[in-house]
Amino acid sequence: DAGITQSPRYKITETGRQVTLMCHQTWSHSYMFWYRQDLGHGLRLIYYSAAADITDKGEVPDGYVVSRSKTENFPLTLESATRSQTSVYFCASSVGRTSYNEQFFGPGTRLTVL
Amino acid sequence: AQSVTQPDIHITVSEGASLELRCNYSYGATPYLFWYVQSPGQGLQLLLKYFSGDTLVQGIKGFEAEFKRSQSSFNLRKPSVHWSDAAEYFCAVGLLNSGYSTLTFGKGTMLLVSP
Repeated sequence: DAGITQSPRYKITETGRQVTLMCHQTWSHSYMFWYRQDLGHGLRLIYYSAAADITDKGEVPDGYVVSRSKTENFPLTLESATRSQTSVYFCASSVGRTSYNEQFFGPGTRLTVL
Repeated sequence: AQSVTQPDIHITVSEGASLELRCNYSYGATPYLFWYVQSPGQGLQLLLKYFSGDTLVQGIKGFEAEFKRSQSSFNLRKPSVHWSDAAEYFCAVGLLNSGYSTLTFGKGTMLLVSP
């Protein structure tokens, strides 16, 4: 199916474990983004990517690693999960670099770190 | 630094009544402005956007928003609210960050619709 998908939708892990959240889009959009959503903070940008092999930090990048070897995939890795990383994570994509381009969002991954 | 403020955390509106959600931004240049809606357990869906031209923008689901440069506002309106409009609404400003396009979101307004 066309669109943007995230997996898993729900994940429970323990402090110190490595976790990878997957994001896949079928539109061949150049831009992809990772956000976290926390009560009282809205959505905050973690990392973004303008194209394959081009990534940059957003507002809250500490503790996260991203890669983008293929245009359609943009995985987010928590190398050593902490309780403060319990959140809902959204992936998004956009067709271009201009500021008025709409971002399309995935359904989200709810991550709980015990 | 750029910022987006949604002053109301929660708003309760009776079904059939009119709605206005407030959004103020702080940004040095002409902003690109968006309203997104998030239904429970779902991702965000674009309602409407403004980047130039007519300051009154029409969106999906009967929503509209008006850009007022003098007030740095982009308020979302709907003349008659339906129970299905209960959701969280996010205002966002699009900007260039080191040459790349990103969005800065407000903290959201939760809309509750009473019968």
